Amino acid sequence: NAGVMQNPRHLVRRRGQEARLRCSPMKGHSHVYWYRQLPEEGLKFMVYLQKENIIDESGMPKERFSAEFPKEGPSILRIQQVVRGDSAAYFCASSPTQYREAFFGQGTRLTVV
Amino acid sequence: QQQVKQSPQSLIVQKGGIPIINCAYENTAFDYFPWYQQFPGKGPALLIAIRPDVSEKKEGRFTISFNKSAKQFSLHIMDSQPGDSATYFCAATQPTGGGNKLTFGTGTQLKVEL
Repeated sequence: NAGVMQNPRHLVRRRGQEARLRCSPMKGHSHVYWYRQLPEEGLKFMVYLQKENIIDESGMPKERFSAEFPKEGPSILRIQQVVRGDSAAYFCASSPTQYREAFFGQGTRLTVV
Repeated sequence: QQQVKQSPQSLIVQKGGIPIINCAYENTAFDYFPWYQQFPGKGPALLIAIRPDVSEKKEGRFTISFNKSAKQFSLHIMDSQPGDSATYFCAATQPTGGGNKLTFGTGTQLKVEL
């Protein structure tokens, strides 16, 4: 049973471009969380999704950021018009139910130049 | 507002020593307190977790001590090894309809020297 798969592992974007981060949850997991880790900081919750639904997006910046988890395919975190401050590691975690422990992927390290 | 405060920021111990990492929380609605271990370039991995109805939990060389009245909890690593060198995060969750959302501390970089 493969773990949570995130791709790409590293992503470099120029200011103003779009970044698309993908997360394939573990088999049988229908709950996905996205977290952002800035350098020298802990992880900060961004959004919680179930299949086709956003349940809690209280940690998402109001502009430029969006997330989806379609019926088929991976969850996508999309950042439009990236700025240098978006440079961070973005982690996805998945769980089988709402209250079970979530397992983390290895993250996508976004660098905005 | 930092809801979970973690200290120290970094820690160096000798092999066999007992590093202790402390966390304090503010939100009394938190009811589950996990610790995560993260190696460079990897995602966090659950190490051990505790609920506030117990004061201590041991799993192998890892022990959590929990003081509900002080709103503090700590991680102890017995007989530490160089392979334990990693960043450790405490975290907390509260029961909501929004799943198992984690509030993390800022992390402690642990180095275990030979």
